[in-house]
Amino acid sequence: AQSVTQLDSQVPVFEEAPVELRCNYSSSVSVYLFWYVQYPNQGLQLLLKYLSGSTLVKGINGFEAEFNKSQTSFHLRKPSVHISDTAEYFCAVSVPGTYKYIFGTGTRLKVLA
Amino acid sequence: KAGVTQTPRYLIKTRGQQVTLSCSPISGHRSVSWYQQTPGQGLQFLFEYFSETQRNKGNFPGRFSGRQFSNSRSEMNVSTLELGDSALYLCASSSGQGHTGELFFGEGSRLTVL
Repeated sequence: AQSVTQLDSQVPVFEEAPVELRCNYSSSVSVYLFWYVQYPNQGLQLLLKYLSGSTLVKGINGFEAEFNKSQTSFHLRKPSVHISDTAEYFCAVSVPGTYKYIFGTGTRLKVLA
Repeated sequence: KAGVTQTPRYLIKTRGQQVTLSCSPISGHRSVSWYQQTPGQGLQFLFEYFSETQRNKGNFPGRFSGRQFSNSRSEMNVSTLELGDSALYLCASSSGQGHTGELFFGEGSRLTVL
């Protein structure tokens, strides 16, 4: 079975500061990895994904993530955050062919002025 | 192109009642998934349908059921509602072929059970 752990439930950060949201996963088979963002009263939107290839993945809105197989991590980073980045961020994994995604419990990013 | 549409957006029910939620996927998408979102638990996978067939399901009791119609629209039903069923129910669609990974989510149906 697969599991996803997001270690931080809330992360406050000042505007224009860098941020890292942590995600660790557990799986005995290869998985695909994703980060989704949920703005208030909205559904989730894909930020970026890792399927294979380069371990550094760039997504929308200036976010990027690095897949680390040895540490089973897929941390999300942004060098300079904006107020508009305030949202909840979810890490997810999926085993190819299962059409089932396992989500973490989410990290609330609050960007302070 | 229109996004994923879920109805109703909000509803209030009492314990013991049943509820049906509807999801219209993006045009051309044949896969529909359902997730339950609660504070502190994140998103829990309910089931996934492709071309009217359930391909996978999560660990929910039999009170939770779903179906998909020939036009790819999907419904989920929860019978004998319990207080713990209060949640945001999210529907997501994808092409369902290959596994490029992107799910397109609706805004959800927020169910409150009193």
